[in-house]
Amino acid sequence: AQSVTQLGSHVSVSEGALVLLRCNYSSSVPPYLFWYVQYPNQGLQLLLKYTSAATLVKGINGFEAEFKKSETSFHLTKPSAHMSDAAEYFCAVRWYGGSQGNLIFGKGTKLSVKP
Amino acid sequence: GAVVSQHPSRVICKSGTSVKIECRSLDFQATTMFWYRQFPKKSLMLMATSNEGSKATYEQGVEKDKFLINHASLTLSTLTVTSAHPEDSSFYICSAWDGPTGELFFGEGSRLTVL
Repeated sequence: AQSVTQLGSHVSVSEGALVLLRCNYSSSVPPYLFWYVQYPNQGLQLLLKYTSAATLVKGINGFEAEFKKSETSFHLTKPSAHMSDAAEYFCAVRWYGGSQGNLIFGKGTKLSVKP
Repeated sequence: GAVVSQHPSRVICKSGTSVKIECRSLDFQATTMFWYRQFPKKSLMLMATSNEGSKATYEQGVEKDKFLINHASLTLSTLTVTSAHPEDSSFYICSAWDGPTGELFFGEGSRLTVL
């Protein structure tokens, strides 16, 4: 079955440090890939998406992600963490031919940022 | 960007009663909306696809008689949890597909607590 794996349910970094949130997908065919952020008791906000164009995707709030087909990965990074980055992050995939909303979500990674 | 609004954001009800949650696309028309359920510390699970003017398509394992979905207009979809029980307590999130931009926008979510 197609799946999305986010390594680490909780990641803690210091303010100003590099943020790295990992996401791997299981598919022989590259899917559409997304990263969403969720603040407490709120819906999801799209950070960035990969749709088979450039492999390095830049998103909002200084985040970026690199699609690596050989590693079936789409890790999310930010060079310098800010306190406001503390939230839950979800990686999601949608395969070609799937309905627009039929996203398969990873289990999420909670990012904590220490002062 | 486009805005999707859910109402109410929080609702508490007694067991056996029905609760309606609204999902509105505020500045675009959405022929397709989606309903998800998010369990505590878990990922989002797609419940159903709501199509304007036609019956909703439910995912496997979702009780269509318990979770009634209506998409009567291009800007409004409703989810009614019928005869609610404590196990229906959850965070429900909707999303709306903006065809011209190809973007999927999420609502803020609705937290249902059934006593």
